[in-house]
Amino acid sequence: NAGVMQNPRHLVRRRGQEARLRCSPMKGHSHVYWYRQLPEEGLKFMVYLQKENIIDESGMPKERFSAEFPKEGPSILRIQQVVRGDSAAYFCASSPRLAGGFYSYNEQFFGPGTRLTVL
Amino acid sequence: GESVGLHLPTLSVQEGDNSIINCAYSNSASDYFIWYKQESGKGPQFIIDIRSNMDKRQGQRVTVLLNKTVKHLSLQIAATQPGDSAVYFCAENPPPGGSQGNLIFGKGTKLSVKP
Repeated sequence: NAGVMQNPRHLVRRRGQEARLRCSPMKGHSHVYWYRQLPEEGLKFMVYLQKENIIDESGMPKERFSAEFPKEGPSILRIQQVVRGDSAAYFCASSPRLAGGFYSYNEQFFGPGTRLTVL
Repeated sequence: GESVGLHLPTLSVQEGDNSIINCAYSNSASDYFIWYKQESGKGPQFIIDIRSNMDKRQGQRVTVLLNKTVKHLSLQIAATQPGDSAVYFCAENPPPGGSQGNLIFGKGTKLSVKP
């Protein structure tokens, strides 16, 4: 069973370009989460999606960032008109079940990340 | 010993010694906690988890302790090995009502194992 796949692993963009980051969850997982990590910091939650639905985007910047998880294919995190401050590692995680409640819990498995560099 | 650097606290231990990594979490209503290990250039790797109805859980060479009174988690690694060198993050799962999905990560501790 392959783990969470992310591509590309490294992405270089110039200011003003668009960045598209892809995430394929583990087989059987229908919940996907995106996190951003700046150097020497912890991961910061961005967005939580299920197939064709955005469940929680409270950590997503209001402008330029969007995410989707279509019925077929990988989840996409899209950053339009990138700026230098967008340079970071972006991690995707997947889980098989919903969080919350006493017997269900949020066991998330992380991909290797995409390192975005904006020149 | 333990020191606070510019960004990440660092813990240096001798190979074979036990390591204790500490974490303070933010939400007293969080009901699930996870420790992750992150090696340079890689994604976080699950180590061990614990639910709020427990105060201790043991895995292979690792033990997690939960003190809900002071909102504190610790990760104990027995007989630390060079391969344990990494950054360790605790994460909490806040209750539903707000977000059901996201994990809240701590700042991380860098563990350096000296051979």
